[in-house]
Amino acid sequence: NAGVTQTPKFQVLKTGQSMTLQCAQDMNHEYMSWYRQDPGMGLRLIHYSVGAGITDQGEVPNGYNVSRSTTEDFPLRLLSAAPSQTSVYFCASSYVRRFLVFGPGTRLTVL
Amino acid sequence: KQEVTQIPAALSVPEGENLVLNCSFTDSAIYNLQWFRQDPGKGLTSLLLIQSSQREQTSGRLNASLDKSSGRSTLYIAASQPGDSATYLCAGPSGSARQLTFGSGTQLTVLP
Repeated sequence: NAGVTQTPKFQVLKTGQSMTLQCAQDMNHEYMSWYRQDPGMGLRLIHYSVGAGITDQGEVPNGYNVSRSTTEDFPLRLLSAAPSQTSVYFCASSYVRRFLVFGPGTRLTVL
Repeated sequence: KQEVTQIPAALSVPEGENLVLNCSFTDSAIYNLQWFRQDPGKGLTSLLLIQSSQREQTSGRLNASLDKSSGRSTLYIAASQPGDSATYLCAGPSGSARQLTFGSGTQLTVLP
């Protein structure tokens, strides 16, 4: 039982590049979400999913896309990276109204 | 929209002291509240989850309380140790049942 895994751990992009942050969980959680954490701003919800084929926007969705084709995977896509997207990204999952389990995070720098 | 506030932003105590971390929230319709720990450069670890039907939840030296009427939750740490040094965050549901709003955290330092 690996919990929530995220890849890569670190990434440096140039402005305008695209990339996908991977997130997977092996706990059969129906709920998955992406947060970004910035100094002084706390954790902010980007997108979330309540099951395969269902996604919705959080507080700061602009510049990010998600899809949920399987229960296990919830990738986050940056279509055209901007310096404002420099942050630490966390994926998290849970059963309904239960403990939220976080992945180790991806530290992204956009130059 | 739920707003979650944690004061103070930082706290430093000597080893062995009992301490209380505070969390305030604006939406009293909250159905649960979670406390997390974050070590520097790491992800978040769930500590305690209190359902709205509970008033307290305990795990080892940690005790969390929830008072919906006053919009407050507290995390009590007994006999603090240097290993307790970390940032502690609370989070409550916001809007739809699936969105969590986080406080900005209290950075705790326990001095040996």
